[in-house]
Amino acid sequence: RKEVEQDPGPFNVPEGATVAFNCTYSNSASQSFFWYRQDCRKEPKLLMSVYSSGNEDGRFTAQLNRASQYISLLIRDSKLSDSATYLCVVIRNPSASKIIFGSGTRLSIRP
Amino acid sequence: NAGVTQTPKFRILKIGQSMTLQCAQDMNHNYMYWYRQDPGMGLKLIYYSVGAGITDKGEVPNGYNVSRSTTEDFPLRLELAAPSQTSVYFCASSYSGTSGRAVATGELFFGEGSRLTVL
Repeated sequence: RKEVEQDPGPFNVPEGATVAFNCTYSNSASQSFFWYRQDCRKEPKLLMSVYSSGNEDGRFTAQLNRASQYISLLIRDSKLSDSATYLCVVIRNPSASKIIFGSGTRLSIRP
Repeated sequence: NAGVTQTPKFRILKIGQSMTLQCAQDMNHNYMYWYRQDPGMGLKLIYYSVGAGITDKGEVPNGYNVSRSTTEDFPLRLELAAPSQTSVYFCASSYSGTSGRAVATGELFFGEGSRLTVL
């Protein structure tokens, strides 16, 4: 089983829709979680951290479910500019510094 | 600050050739990483380093070597290139926390990538 798994998509939704996708992780000892965004043929960039209590940043909401070992990203009122690949990141042990990426979920917003 | 600089941006190699991908950062980050990304796939960790003189294997280290003689530089060496190494390679760096114990913060700063084709 992969350490971090994501639904590859693509998710194709109309502008203004709400879309959510999950990322599951296999190691229950994982401690830190993040969402990255990657535009086509560009380097990934940090979108947001995922806190235990859940957190929002504008239209984006991240949640962590430790019992079921997954994190989620919810995008409300989606914009054309949200079209990208979203990668989840799991750090098992921050002092070990090994940062593992999921395979990414492709999101396409249509007008 | 230039951030993370990778060279070359593009390279075509013949099977069996060797080359080094260069990565340099000017942010005084102690953690550095090499990832590869195959078309339509996520990033796979090749090697990483938590400081000068310290390196460790990631998920897919076979066929690669690294060194970290300085804080700034983290070159990736490909020996005996194979078609399976055709990919986009990303170098990244990160800073540790300020709690006195170095931890990975999860915020990686990436270079623009190096596109390698092995024919």
